[in-house]
Amino acid sequence: GAGVSQSPRYKVAKRGQDVALRCDPISGHVSLFWYQQALGQGPEFLTYFQNEAQLDKSGLPSDRFFAERPEGSVSTLKIQRTQQEDSAVYLCASSLGSRSYNEQFFGPGTRLTVL
Amino acid sequence: AQSVTQLDSQVPVFEEAPVELRCNYSSSVSVYLFWYVQYPNQGLQLLLKYLSGSTLVKGINGFEAEFNKSQTSFHLRKPSVHISDTAEYFCAVSPYDKVIFGPGTSLSVIP
Repeated sequence: GAGVSQSPRYKVAKRGQDVALRCDPISGHVSLFWYQQALGQGPEFLTYFQNEAQLDKSGLPSDRFFAERPEGSVSTLKIQRTQQEDSAVYLCASSLGSRSYNEQFFGPGTRLTVL
Repeated sequence: AQSVTQLDSQVPVFEEAPVELRCNYSSSVSVYLFWYVQYPNQGLQLLLKYLSGSTLVKGINGFEAEFNKSQTSFHLRKPSVHISDTAEYFCAVSPYDKVIFGPGTSLSVIP
């Protein structure tokens, strides 16, 4: 079976542009997480979905960040009016169950560079 | 709120030597504890986790970790490292849903 996939793998945006990052979780996985990983840092939690419900978005840095998972499968993280500080690797992870003790399976990430 | 501290940002070690990667956490509630590894150009993968029970947890690739509640630590150990263990190691805690990662420790195994 396929793992978690993310697209694009690399994205270069000019400051002020909108971007959309896609995550395809493992089929059947209930939970989906988005993280932001700055260079040399650990992943920082952004938001969490259980099926199509966004249960926690406390980590989104500003209202320019928006995530959705309308059918409980594929998820999109959208960043509006990108800023240089948004440059990072954006990681998506999915897990089979709804509790945090379930193993999270990570995608390869999307490296966003904002010029 | 929860936080994770990994005191060593870089750990160089010779091949076949033992290694310990340190992790301390703070939390006002009980948490689950994890170690994830990120090999060069690969995604993060779970090494091991502590949920409850025995404080010594064994994971993949010969790694183990010991939970110490009084010291709020969850140090990762391996008795003999291989070149292939060169990677970034992240300690993480989870109170109930979100997972909070530490800053990571870069392990470099020297031939």
